[in-house]
Amino acid sequence: NAGVTQTPKFQVLKTGQSMTLQCAQDMNHNSMYWYRQDPGMGLRLIYYSASEGTTDKGEVPNGYNVSRLNKREFSLRLESAAPSQTSVYFCASSVSGGRFGETQYFGPGTRLLVL
Amino acid sequence: GQQVMQIPQYQHVQEGEDFTTYCNSSTTLSNIQWYKQRPGGHPVFLIQLVKSGEVKKQKRLTFQFGEAKKNSSLHITATQTTDVGTYFCAASGNTGKLIFGQGTTLQVKP
Repeated sequence: NAGVTQTPKFQVLKTGQSMTLQCAQDMNHNSMYWYRQDPGMGLRLIYYSASEGTTDKGEVPNGYNVSRLNKREFSLRLESAAPSQTSVYFCASSVSGGRFGETQYFGPGTRLLVL
Repeated sequence: GQQVMQIPQYQHVQEGEDFTTYCNSSTTLSNIQWYKQRPGGHPVFLIQLVKSGEVKKQKRLTFQFGEAKKNSSLHITATQTTDVGTYFCAASGNTGKLIFGQGTTLQVKP
């Protein structure tokens, strides 16, 4: 089992460029999440997908879109990158995202620099 | 919305010293989780606490959940260089999503 995989590992963009971050999990989890991590800010939820076919905004959704392509894959798109989106992006998954919270399994992260 | 405050933000200790990080919420939590992130790595689940006053141990790590379920702590006894990293607490919000604290970054001087 690879767990949660993310591509690419690193990316440099110019302001205004677009890109899609890919995430896949092979644990048959229902719920998937996208976080960004900035120094001193912890992990902030961008979007999540409680189950295949559903997506919802998290704490910091502006400037991002997501697609839950199937049960395994959850992508994050930056339509017009801005320097404020320079960050480390983590994808995570959990069994079902139930009411009392569950262990989340994180991917290795994508380090994004927007110039 | 619900917030989880974690202190301190940074802690430098000499190898062999103890270390504690605290997590506080203004609202009652249904449970709390702790994660560790090594430098350059990704968060990895350590433990979950559910019951009021619960104490769990993992070797040199002791996790506590407050009686009122509004705070939690992680204590490391006799730190080692392998303990270096950022420790996050995370609490379940009303919808089941995790809300992470800001993290405590631990540096250990050999």
